[in-house]
Amino acid sequence: EPEVTQTPSHQVTQMGQEVILRCVPISNHLYFYWYRQILGQKVEFLVSFYNNEISEKSEIFDDQFSVERPDGSNFTLKIRSTKLEDSAMYFCASSEFQVSNTEAFFGQGTRLTVV
Amino acid sequence: AQSVTQLGSHVSVSEGALVLLRCNYSSSVPPYLFWYVQYPNQGLQLLLKYTSAATLVKGINGFEAEFKKSETSFHLTKPSAHMSDAAEYFCAVTPSGGYNKLIFGAGTRLAVHP
Repeated sequence: EPEVTQTPSHQVTQMGQEVILRCVPISNHLYFYWYRQILGQKVEFLVSFYNNEISEKSEIFDDQFSVERPDGSNFTLKIRSTKLEDSAMYFCASSEFQVSNTEAFFGQGTRLTVV
Repeated sequence: AQSVTQLGSHVSVSEGALVLLRCNYSSSVPPYLFWYVQYPNQGLQLLLKYTSAATLVKGINGFEAEFKKSETSFHLTKPSAHMSDAAEYFCAVTPSGGYNKLIFGAGTRLAVHP
């Protein structure tokens, strides 16, 4: 069964360092997303990506964050200068159509710990 | 802004007992509503969704949910819990107006004991 895969499963980084979280969406999907969940809090939308550009982003997704689809298969989330409060579980998701019309498939998450 | 509230961060039931996980939404127009499940060390998996067709929605693994506009609720039920149902359950809404994102509740962790 097709699935969204994320690497690494766990990343520890020092405050101020750049991190790149990687995702391989399902191959025929057109819409891609990043969500995050800070420990004990809600899963929060970060950004959606369609047709090689950001279609929507939340207020969390500030200039420190960027997304890219570098090679037609990977979808990455970059955090330029990590802060302690960026520690969270980051979920990648993809869908064939908009989520109101189809299922969004989620990866198993990358746990980012900023120390 | 639209939101969902899940009552009870932890619910514990006996195997074979009814499962009831509560979700209320705030929306001025009927939204699209979803329930997702997360098993340990796995991603979020769609259980079921409401998209303004039938108000009683059946999902995978014997779960169902009923959309009640008058109560702004979308509670998840299963008649008989199984040990394998132990997981975290998330209610989510897609805002009306063409938005393509999910707004999640805080989640309810379901424990099933023998």
